[in-house]
Parts: sequence; structure tokens; C-alpha cells
Amino acid sequence: GAGVSQTPSNKVTEKGKYVELRCDPISGHTALYWYRQSLGQGPEFLIYFQGTGAADDSGLPNDRFFAVRPEGSVSTLKIQRTERGDSAVYLCASSLTGGSYNSPLHFGNGTRLTVT
Amino acid sequence: AQKITQTQPGMFVQEKEAVTLDCTYDTSDQSYGLFWYKQPSSGEMIFLIYQGSYDEQNATEGRYSLNFQKARKSANLVISASQLGDSAMYFCAIHPPYYGGSQGNLIFGKGTKLSVKP
Repeated sequence: GAGVSQTPSNKVTEKGKYVELRCDPISGHTALYWYRQSLGQGPEFLIYFQGTGAADDSGLPNDRFFAVRPEGSVSTLKIQRTERGDSAVYLCASSLTGGSYNSPLHFGNGTRLTVT
Repeated sequence: AQKITQTQPGMFVQEKEAVTLDCTYDTSDQSYGLFWYKQPSSGEMIFLIYQGSYDEQNATEGRYSLNFQKARKSANLVISASQLGDSAMYFCAIHPPYYGGSQGNLIFGKGTKLSVKP
């Protein structure tokens, strides 16, 4: 079956612009996660959805970042007034149920965001 | 708070030999999960192996095994019979206990770059 799909794979935008990053999880997975990975670092947690609701958004760095999952499947990460420091690879992951620390996360290939 | 330390930025191993990638963790929780992920140059994070804090046996998945030493807070990954395709970044991660819906906070180390030599 298909894995986690993220689009676009690359996005270049100018400072101050608005961007949307899309994630299509594995079919049937109720839990969806967004992570950000800067160069030379491990992924950092941003937000976790269980179904349509954000169960944990403690990793969002500030109010310029927002994510939605209106129908409990596809999710969009939205970044307003982008800054050069937002440049990173944004990873999306899904898991079958969430809510259990032995449920592995399945990641997509990520979206590489470059803010010029 | 939880923390993962991977002290080896880069490792080399000869093809067909075994290699150990180090991981130590810091947590005050009694219940937690430990994961290893592989990230090839394509960027995808691939789940390799999981160890629960209460599991008495070391986890194994094919050529991967996790050397879990709870008292030392160590969770090293052992790859046996290395293959050229094993060349990638490897990340150790810890998952805190599940508290009523807060479950997304998988905490990663900085990773180890493994290079397999033919």
C-alpha cells in the first residue's frame, strides 16, 4: 500500500510569504504528526492529531504556525509571514492508532522549505 | 524532561561486519519506549526497532538488535552483517508515557551517520 505522501517535495519562498505544506497519511491511520528537521539535527516535534483534533500542539514554535486536519485524513501545515529561520525539512508521520508508546510512526519523505 | 544523546557523529564499518551505534537517554519516567529510525539520503525516516522500558528481552528485528541496559540508560543499536544499503543516518528516539492524549512528543537524538565500506 501507499506510504505517507507529502507535497510539495521542495518549496522555495520569499521572506514574509505564506506557505502551505500537505500531508496525506497512510489510509486508516488515525494519528498524524508533524516534525521539523533542521540541518544536522534530529526531527523536532511540532503537532499531533488524533482524528480531526490537535491532541498536542506543544511543539509549534509560535503563532505563525498552524495545522489542520478537517476530515481526519489529509493535513495541512500552514506558516504565515515566513522567516529565514523557518527553512528546514518538514516531516509528516502517521500511526495506526496513536495513544501508545509502542506504536511506530511511519514518516513521509518530507518537504524541504527554503525561505530566501 | 527526556533527552537522547548519540555521541558518534559518524561511523565506518566494513561490509559484512557488525557495528554498534550508541544511544544513551535521560528520563525520570518509569514507562517509556525507545525507537531506532534509519534515514537514507532520500530523507524518509524508516522505523527499525522498538524497545519498551518494561521489556526484559532485548528487541530483535532481522539484522537489527537493541542492546538495552536499563540501569545504564543505554539503548545501543547493533547491526549484524552490514550491507552497503545500510549507509544512512540513524536516529535514536524516546517516547514518554502516554498521558491522556499527549502522545506525539517522540524525542530524537542528533543521529549517527553510518558509512559501509565495500
